[in-house]
Amino acid sequence: KNEVEQSPQNLTAQEGEFITINCSYSVGISALHWLQQHPGGGIVSLFMLSSGKKKHGRLIATINIQEKHSSLHITASHPRDSAVYICAVTGNTDKLIFGTGTRLQVFP
Amino acid sequence: EPEVTQTPSHQVTQMGQEVILRCVPISNHLYFYWYRQILGQKVEFLVSFYNNEISEKSEIFDDQFSVERPDGSNFTLKIRSTKLEDSAMYFCASRGQGDNEQFFGPGTRLTVL
Repeated sequence: KNEVEQSPQNLTAQEGEFITINCSYSVGISALHWLQQHPGGGIVSLFMLSSGKKKHGRLIATINIQEKHSSLHITASHPRDSAVYICAVTGNTDKLIFGTGTRLQVFP
Repeated sequence: EPEVTQTPSHQVTQMGQEVILRCVPISNHLYFYWYRQILGQKVEFLVSFYNNEISEKSEIFDDQFSVERPDGSNFTLKIRSTKLEDSAMYFCASRGQGDNEQFFGPGTRLTVL
């Protein structure tokens, strides 16, 4: 069983739609990370959170520690948001444990 | 804005050859990592490095792999005798003291023929 599970694996949306990507984890964590991977392969950190909610522009990340669940929301989605979104956690060491990613395509 | 850089961007090698992948972490960072991503799979941890020694390594990081910080700026991953299954994208990452956020390089795509 994967320590970090994401859903859905693939997601298509029309421009302007509200998008939610979910992440569940089965290990104790010190932090949860949301990352974005572009088609060329580069990985960019979007959020790091250990409780509550964070917002950056049109992106919102929430975490529920008791339920071991996090969500990434994108409001007013745009084709440039098309990418793979990855949930990863750090546990009792600082290595990142990655989920399998959610491939998002936003069509105009 | 400071960034992690990696060279080369793409390396093609013959099975059994040695390869060295190079990374220049962000200059004031103290913690360094290598991850890999086989095509179509999730990113996997290989090794972490701090204070000139390995902090943690995964099962993937066997005797064929080694890491080194040969000077004050470079951080290298060496694969002694490459195998076909070593073909992957290799990412270097670094982070600063007291900061949990890791910053990733653009990756090196390694193709073993």
